[in-house]
Amino acid sequence: ELKVEQNPLFLSMQEGKNYTIYCNYSTTSDRLYWYRQDPGKSLESLFVLLSNGAVKQEGRLMASLDTKARLSTLHITAAVHDLSATYFCAVDMTGGTSYGKLTFGQGTILTVHP
Amino acid sequence: EAEVAQSPRYKITEKSQAVAFWCDPISGHATLYWYRQILGQGPELLVQFQDESVVDDSQLPKDRFSAERLKGVDSTLKIQPAELGDSAMYLCASSPRTSGTDEQFFGPGTRLTVL
Repeated sequence: ELKVEQNPLFLSMQEGKNYTIYCNYSTTSDRLYWYRQDPGKSLESLFVLLSNGAVKQEGRLMASLDTKARLSTLHITAAVHDLSATYFCAVDMTGGTSYGKLTFGQGTILTVHP
Repeated sequence: EAEVAQSPRYKITEKSQAVAFWCDPISGHATLYWYRQILGQGPELLVQFQDESVVDDSQLPKDRFSAERLKGVDSTLKIQPAELGDSAMYLCASSPRTSGTDEQFFGPGTRLTVL
């Protein structure tokens, strides 16, 4: 069974600081997704990582994937209040009849304060 | 910009009643997913359709939940009878290709409260 673990689960940051959220998964996969969710809202796609060594950047967020280590990171640079949200990683357990089945991590609740 | 549509957005029901949720995926998307998200947790897949066929419903509680996508376009998820533990956000997502490995786009969700 595929397990996806994020840490930390709660992150309180000061504006302007940098930090990294980690996503570890338990079985082989080369497809990983990062989503953002605001309170009471649906999921917004941030990054799609489709190969080992993939790196994507958008604004203050940068995501990377190391399939050999089964690890993805979401790095936040110079945090601002608007980044406050819950961030999920999700791993695509491809193969067999379960292609496209995403397994989500528990989520990291990020709060950015002045 | 094309979006996944869901209705209703909110539903309050009493235990043992029947509820139904509707989802209209992005036009042309062959794959449709229903997820359940309990407060404070990540979404969990309930059922996956490829066109009108069920690909994976291994996590669907089939004694009370049913899902259909009769014409391979929109879909309905039903719960009968609802239980207190069914209170959650129900999310629908779609992806474009038959391989099912493309990015999934999520709808706004239906928040269900069972009293």
